[in-house]
Amino acid sequence: QVQLQESGPGLVKPSQTLSLTCTVSGGSISSGSYYWSWIRQPAGKGLEWIGRIYTSGSTNYNPSLKSRVTISVDTSKNQFSLKLSSVTAADTAVYYCAREHYDSSGYPNWFDPWGQGTLVTVSS
Amino acid sequence: QSALTQPASVSGSPGQSITISCTGTSSDVGGYNYVSWYQQHPGKAPKLMIYDVSKRPSGVSNRFSGSKSGNTASLTISGLQAEDEADYYCSSYTSSSTYWVFGGGTKLTVL
Repeated sequence: QVQLQESGPGLVKPSQTLSLTCTVSGGSISSGSYYWSWIRQPAGKGLEWIGRIYTSGSTNYNPSLKSRVTISVDTSKNQFSLKLSSVTAADTAVYYCAREHYDSSGYPNWFDPWGQGTLVTVSS
Repeated sequence: QSALTQPASVSGSPGQSITISCTGTSSDVGGYNYVSWYQQHPGKAPKLMIYDVSKRPSGVSNRFSGSKSGNTASLTISGLQAEDEADYYCSSYTSSSTYWVFGGGTKLTVL
C-alpha cells in the first residue's frame, strides 16, 4: 500500500523560499499512471491545488502560483519536492502531497492517497 | 472564493440521509465525469470517498454515493453515523488552466 509523507521546515521567514519533500513508500514513484501533486489548505479554509509532476519531469502549475513554484522529482530516492519562493503570510497553510490518478485519455481523475500534511507558517 | 460552490454546513440525525451539492460550470463539473469527493476529519488528511462522479474506492462504505446532473454534483450519505461527522470537499477537473478546482467544503454535523 502506497503511503506519502511530507517533510520540511515548519517555519519560513517572509520573502524566503519554502521547501518541502514528499517521500513515497510502499511502491515505486515511477510505476503506474500517476501524477504527483502538491495541494495546500490554509487554516479553516478550502483546498488549493498547487501543481503536479510526472516522473518524466514534466510539470503543470496553478497559474496563480506559477511564477513562484517549482516541483521536481528524484526517482532514485522515490521523492518529489516543492519549492515556493518569495513567501508571505498568505502562504501559511497545511501542505499535502498526493498521488494523482489519470486515465487512458490523460485526464486527471482523483487524488489518492494523500500524505498526512505538514503545517508551514510564514512569519519573522 | 472557491470555484465550486458547496453549502457551508448540513446536518442530520443518525440513520437519516443527507445530500451535499457541488455546483460548477460546463468547464468543470458539467463538462467532465471527473468529480471526486473527499472526507476530512479535524487534523487529518482528506480521504477519497467518491471518484468519477459515482464510483466508490475499495473500503468505502456503500452508504456513500455520488451523482451528477448538469453542472451540479451531489454526495449522498445514507444511514448517517456519528463517524460521518466531518468536512466534505468536492473537486473536479477543469478545462481552464488551473487543471483542478475544489469546493469550499461542507461541514456535516450528525445531531
